[in-house]
Amino acid sequence: LAKTTQPISMDSYEGQEVNITCSHNNIATNDYITWYQQFPSQGPRFIIQGYKTKVTNEVASLFIPADRKSSTLSLPRVSLSDTAVYYCLVGQRMNYGGATNKLIFGTGTLLAVQP
Amino acid sequence: DVKVTQSSRYLVKRTGEKVFLECVQDMDHENMFWYRQDPGLGLRLIYFSYDVKMKEKGDIPEGYSVSREKKERFSLILESASTNQTSMYLCASNSSPTPTGITDTQYFGPGTRLTVL
Repeated sequence: LAKTTQPISMDSYEGQEVNITCSHNNIATNDYITWYQQFPSQGPRFIIQGYKTKVTNEVASLFIPADRKSSTLSLPRVSLSDTAVYYCLVGQRMNYGGATNKLIFGTGTLLAVQP
Repeated sequence: DVKVTQSSRYLVKRTGEKVFLECVQDMDHENMFWYRQDPGLGLRLIYFSYDVKMKEKGDIPEGYSVSREKKERFSLILESASTNQTSMYLCASNSSPTPTGITDTQYFGPGTRLTVL
């Protein structure tokens, strides 16, 4: 199973761009890379997903190099409300008759944004 | 708006009690999941279900069982609660992936913080 490795924590200031890198050396061919955000006392919520190159939405950008062994979540101009834990995940298809994907959550990166 | 609800935000039980955690989703999702979250360990998958009455063990199923009698409802059962089951429990749901393997977003509930004394 593809395990992900992220920094335990990062600090930033309001208005800065933040890049959080995740390594996933054993990613499989059909795995997608997904990032979730979790605020205290809430469940994680989806931020962005990608397979290769670059994906951008209204919240973040995701950069994936050609070998797909790592990915970088980029948050432009962070604010205090972006303080949260960010999880990088890769999807694993289960080997049984169903069609669900098992997502492997690591420990995440605690991003602390200061004024 | 997508919604996953859990029966309780906070729960306190005694060692040896049977505990039921309920999760309901209103998105007609095939898949439902139970995780526990502990400091320094992240989210760990306990059980998941890909259809009514169907279930599969996750990474840490010991001490837990599940029930899915209806598509929208997935229950986690602690047959005899122990102090090491004190944790935050998170339920999630999603649709099955596309044939090309695109992982659908998992939608999480707010969590139940269970304390076993």
